[in-house]
Amino acid sequence: KAGVTQTPRYLIKTRGQQVTLSCSPISGHRSVSWYQQTPGQGLQFLFEYFSETQRNKGNFPGRFSGRQFSNSRSEMNVSTLELGDSALYLCASSGLLGVGETQYFGPGTRLLVL
Amino acid sequence: DQQVKQNSPSLSVQEGRISILNCDYTNSMFDYFLWYKKYPAEGPTFLISISSIKDKNEDGRFTVFLNKSAKHLSLHIVPSQPGDSAVYFCAASAERHNQGGKLIFGQGTELSVKP
Repeated sequence: KAGVTQTPRYLIKTRGQQVTLSCSPISGHRSVSWYQQTPGQGLQFLFEYFSETQRNKGNFPGRFSGRQFSNSRSEMNVSTLELGDSALYLCASSGLLGVGETQYFGPGTRLLVL
Repeated sequence: DQQVKQNSPSLSVQEGRISILNCDYTNSMFDYFLWYKKYPAEGPTFLISISSIKDKNEDGRFTVFLNKSAKHLSLHIVPSQPGDSAVYFCAASAERHNQGGKLIFGQGTELSVKP
């Protein structure tokens, strides 16, 4: 099976702009979660989607949003970019949300905000 | 509020010896624990997991131990190989509380295995 794919891999934006990142989960996986990794804060959970519904949400401002489509592909959007949004954004997919479901990660999108 | 803690930012081990990476957690709702290996600018790679109904899980050179009363888990790598050098993250979720899609990560431990 193909793994989790993320596009684009690298992105440079300026403050105030908005950005949309895309994630295609492993075939058959219905849950997609998003994480932000920064040197200071480590890996932090953003939100999780299952069957096009947001199931869980982390402690990020409303500028961070996401959605999931009927084919389980997911996008996350960050509006009014700030310098502190520079990070590696990772998505992960897993199957049914039963106990013992493992999340598999994509390679990430490296976002640099200037 | 750091619910998952890896108190050792780095660990250096000789090739062939055992590597022991430790992780502590505070949230008693956590019922599923995972270890991931990560290289810079790449996504984490899943290594091994353990459910809270077990206290040990083995997969080849990797063994994870869970001590629920101490809220502590550890990853043992035996024997350690230079290719194991990477940052290791432990993660936890509260699946029975409908938060299986939300992993809480520790800060990571950088393992260096010297030939």
